[in-house]
Amino acid sequence: GDSVTQMEGPVTLSEEAFLTINCTYTATGYPSLFWYVQYPGEGLQLLLKATKADDKGSNKGFEATYRKETTSFHLEKGSVQVSDSAVYFCARQNTGFQKLVFGTGTRLLVSP
Amino acid sequence: DTAVSQTPKYLVTQMGNDKSIKCEQNLGHDTMYWYKQDSKKFLKIMFSYNNKELIINETVPNRFSPKSPDKAHLNLHINSLELGDSAVYFCASSPEFQGEETQYFGPGTRLLVL
Repeated sequence: GDSVTQMEGPVTLSEEAFLTINCTYTATGYPSLFWYVQYPGEGLQLLLKATKADDKGSNKGFEATYRKETTSFHLEKGSVQVSDSAVYFCARQNTGFQKLVFGTGTRLLVSP
Repeated sequence: DTAVSQTPKYLVTQMGNDKSIKCEQNLGHDTMYWYKQDSKKFLKIMFSYNNKELIINETVPNRFSPKSPDKAHLNLHINSLELGDSAVYFCASSPEFQGEETQYFGPGTRLLVL
């Protein structure tokens, strides 16, 4: 079935370090891919998305590129801040079918 | 203005009780969802409604009964609560059911069953 696999956390970084959170998805259909972020005590917010192969989603300095050949959608940021500390969820959504399938989430901890 | 709101924010109750969680969206969206997030942060869809009609029911026990009085509201009623129901429940909405429409999430309801 459809699934999303994320790297296990927590990911612990110092401020201004480079961030990569890996995400891979099962290659069934032509899904749209998303990154959602959950700050402590809050709901999920859409961070970025990509709807077809080679698309790059970007927002707030975060980027992810839809790679069909490697079925990946890795999240990157060049210089993280303490305020980026949160749980990041990768998700897929099949075309024409609205159910979001989430990965297990990756907690990011950024220290000053 | 809060786009997707849920009440209550916290709910502590005894096993065997019946409780409801309410969700309202003021975005004019046609589709609403309930997701469950367990203690390990794993998120899974429970239900989806489109224009008050049930579209998705992901093998959720029939103790859980969603109710959509109008397309702006999707409430979740839970009968005979069990310890395993303890979780954070998120409501979400999106403009349409078909296509890649972004889902907007509420702040969550933290349910603890004792």
